[in-house]
Amino acid sequence: SQTIHQWPATLVQPVGSPLSLECTVEGTSNPNLYWYRQAAGRGLQLLFYSVGIGQISSEVPQNLSASRPQDRQFILSSKKLLLSDSGFYLCAWSADSRNQPQHFGDGTRLSIL
Amino acid sequence: ELKVEQNPLFLSMQEGKNYTIYCNYSTTSDRLYWYRQDPGKSLESLFVLLSNGAVKQEGRLMASLDTKARLSTLHITAAVHDLSATYFCAVDPLGGGADGLTFGKGTHLIIQP
Repeated sequence: SQTIHQWPATLVQPVGSPLSLECTVEGTSNPNLYWYRQAAGRGLQLLFYSVGIGQISSEVPQNLSASRPQDRQFILSSKKLLLSDSGFYLCAWSADSRNQPQHFGDGTRLSIL
Repeated sequence: ELKVEQNPLFLSMQEGKNYTIYCNYSTTSDRLYWYRQDPGKSLESLFVLLSNGAVKQEGRLMASLDTKARLSTLHITAAVHDLSATYFCAVDPLGGGADGLTFGKGTHLIIQP
């Protein structure tokens, strides 16, 4: 069966520090991969999606970036974090078919001080 | 720009009662998803609705899709405390390819004994 792993689960970072969140998927190949952010009490905002290695689409201009160095690995990064980057970051995958739901990882709770 | 609106955003109800959560969206779509999120946790897929008139049921929850009205409903029958959670609908616009879903803001449901 397919599984998705995200780490770390919780992160506290100072303003201006770099960020790297990692997401890996097991049990499937060529998944579509997604990064979402959920601000406190809000819905989910799509940040990036990827349909293949090295292919990244950005939905929202910001100081975050994403990379997909391997088929089942998706990384969210920042060179300098802002206070507004605080939130709950969720990685998701879906099969290469529009009839399948997206499956979410356990999320990373990021607090910027 | 696709907009997805859920209502109500907050609902407190007693066990044993019935209620419906509504999800309206602003553009043509034939794919709609319902997710559940427990506090501090990730999202769990509940239903995938893939065509006009689709109806899915799981236990006390039933979801339906009317693509002509651009409306989906999540009906709760004889609510129990374990159904307390935040429920999100998410829309995949027609012809949207592999890009991400657009989520509603969520309905925070509290079911009191």
